[in-house]
Amino acid sequence: KQEVTQIPAALSVPEGENLVLNCSFTDSAIYNLQWFRQDPGKGLTSLLLIQSSQREQTSGRLNASLDKSSGRSTLYIAASQPGDSATYLCAVYSGGYQKVTFGIGTKLQVIP
Amino acid sequence: DTAVSQTPKYLVTQMGNDKSIKCEQNLGHDTMYWYKQDSKKFLKIMFSYNNKELIINETVPNRFSPKSPDKAHLNLHINSLELGDSAVYFCASRRQGLGEAFFGQGTRLTVV
Repeated sequence: KQEVTQIPAALSVPEGENLVLNCSFTDSAIYNLQWFRQDPGKGLTSLLLIQSSQREQTSGRLNASLDKSSGRSTLYIAASQPGDSATYLCAVYSGGYQKVTFGIGTKLQVIP
Repeated sequence: DTAVSQTPKYLVTQMGNDKSIKCEQNLGHDTMYWYKQDSKKFLKIMFSYNNKELIINETVPNRFSPKSPDKAHLNLHINSLELGDSAVYFCASRRQGLGEAFFGQGTRLTVV
């Protein structure tokens, strides 16, 4: 059974800092890994999708890496801004029918 | 032009009632999902349909019955609502294979 862990559970940083969010998964036989952000009371917004054959994906100030063999992914946010404040969720596609398993998320607060 | 839309956005109902939540996607995806996000913000998969066929059915009480009239719609009907059913329910869709998942805005269900 796939389990996804995200560390830290919460993070508070001053504006402008670079930061790293961590995601680990127990079954390395994955198809994809996807990072989302969720704003309070809102749905999920897709940030980056990494396919199992890829090692990283970049979008603007965001960079996500994937190390399948060690069961880890990181989301790097450069030059953080108050608008980045949200909960960041890691989701792993694995198993039959590519079932999607979520981590509990990292709640990020960027202080102006 | 919302990609994945859910209705209603909010639903308040009494214990014992039967209610339905509707979901529609206009992305041409072949796979749709229902997720439940509990009070601790953990997202857990409930059901998944691929081309109108049920492919994932987690250990969900049989009071919950999904129905997929066509590939673009996946509705969730809940019988005999209980207090513990209070949560936010998210619908999602993706193209089976390597596609990223897109989420609706969620339906906040409150059972009183």
